Amino acid sequence: RKEVEQDPGPFNVPEGATVAFNCTYSNSASQSFFWYRQDCRKEPKLLMSVYSSGNEDGRFTAQLNRASQYISLLIRDSKLSDSATYLCVVILWMDSSYKLIFGSGTRLLVRP
Amino acid sequence: SAVISQKPSRDICQRGTSLTIQCQVDSQVTMMFWYRQQPGQSLTLIATANQGSEATYESGFVIDKFPISRPNLTFSTLTVSNMSPEDSSIYLCSVEGDYNEQFFGPGTRLTVL
Repeated sequence: RKEVEQDPGPFNVPEGATVAFNCTYSNSASQSFFWYRQDCRKEPKLLMSVYSSGNEDGRFTAQLNRASQYISLLIRDSKLSDSATYLCVVILWMDSSYKLIFGSGTRLLVRP
Repeated sequence: SAVISQKPSRDICQRGTSLTIQCQVDSQVTMMFWYRQQPGQSLTLIATANQGSEATYESGFVIDKFPISRPNLTFSTLTVSNMSPEDSSIYLCSVEGDYNEQFFGPGTRLTVL
């Protein structure tokens, strides 16, 4: 089983739709979580951190479910510019160092 | 977040040759990281580069193949040695933020023929 798993998609949605992605992680000791966005042929860029209580940034809402070991990203009122690959990232601390584990990404296509 | 630049942005190389990728950060950072992203895949950490000490390599990556330099707190290089087509990938450097998140450079797209 992969340490971090995501549905590769693509999710093909019309403009204005609400879309949600899930990401599951296998190590219950994982401590920090992030969503990144990667446009085609570009570097990943931090979209938002995921807090235990859930957090919102404009049209984007991130949630963490530690019991079921998944995080989610909800995008409301999708825009064409939201088309990208969304990477789930988990931080795992081991001894005095940490390791970032990246999911393979979920591709979102927003159509007019 | 830091501003990170990489050179070259892309290159096409012959097998058996080596390529050195440069990463420059606009502020002093303790650790710099080198990642690889193969086509259609997610990111894999190659090594962590601390200034003043040897780089720490992840499982599956060795210094002979990917030598790293870290001469100061704003600069690092990664060399891909004795390249083969399997080394075709995007190579990204990154620095960590206040909460251990990573900020990436624009990447170097390498194609090995």
